[in-house]
Amino acid sequence: KAGVTQTPRYLIKTRGQQVTLSCSPISGHRSVSWYQQTPGQGLQFLFEYFSETQRNKGNFPGRFSGRQFSNSRSEMNVSTLELGDSALYLCASSFGQKNSPLHFGNGTRLTVT
Amino acid sequence: QKEVEQDPGPLSVPEGAIVSLNCTYSNSAFQYFMWYRQYSRKGPELLMYTYSSGNKEDGRFTAQVDKSSKYISLFIRDSQPSDSATYLCAMEGDFGNEKLTFGTGTRLTIIP
Repeated sequence: KAGVTQTPRYLIKTRGQQVTLSCSPISGHRSVSWYQQTPGQGLQFLFEYFSETQRNKGNFPGRFSGRQFSNSRSEMNVSTLELGDSALYLCASSFGQKNSPLHFGNGTRLTVT
Repeated sequence: QKEVEQDPGPLSVPEGAIVSLNCTYSNSAFQYFMWYRQYSRKGPELLMYTYSSGNKEDGRFTAQVDKSSKYISLFIRDSQPSDSATYLCAMEGDFGNEKLTFGTGTRLTIIP
C-alpha cells in the first residue's frame, strides 16, 4: 500500500511569491491534515480537510490556505511568502474518525530567500 | 507553559541499553496518545498509538500512559543504532478532527 506522497520535495522561492504544495493521501483515507515543522516551534497544525471541507484550522494567517479534491488529494497554498515561512511542510492522512491515527508523508522543504 | 512538554535531549546511550522517553501534558482533554519516530529528511513515522492508561507493547517498544499524572512514556528495549532518530510524542483530544499537539521531540543517538 502506497504511503502519503508529497510533491515537490524541495522548493526555493523569493519573498513575496506564492507557492502551492501537493499531497496524495493513502488510498481510502478521506482526511488530509497539514503541519508546519520548524526547529524553533516544532510541528504546528495548519488545517484539516475531510470530504473536500475544511473541518479545523490552526492559528496561521490567511496567507495559508488549502483545498481538497473529490479524490481526497489536497493542495496547500501560501501567498506573499515571508522569510519566516521557510519550513518543512508535512501532510498527513487518516480515515478521519476518532481512533484513526495520522500517517505522514516525507514533507516539502520550502526555503524562502 | 506549553500544553505538551518533552525533554529535547540530545540523549546518547550505548547499543543494547533500555531507553526511556517521556512527555508531560497539561490539557486533561487529551485522550489519544502517540509516539512518532522521525529520521533526518523524513516525515514522522507512527510507532505507537494508545488510548487508555496503562501499557501497550509492540516488539521492543512499550508505550505507557498515566492519565492521572498526565504523563506518557516510551521505552525502547535492546536499543539498536537504527533507533537513532528524533522521537515525538503527540496527543489529541476526543474530537476526531485530526489536530495533534506535538512535543518538541527528543533526539536519540544509539552508540554502537
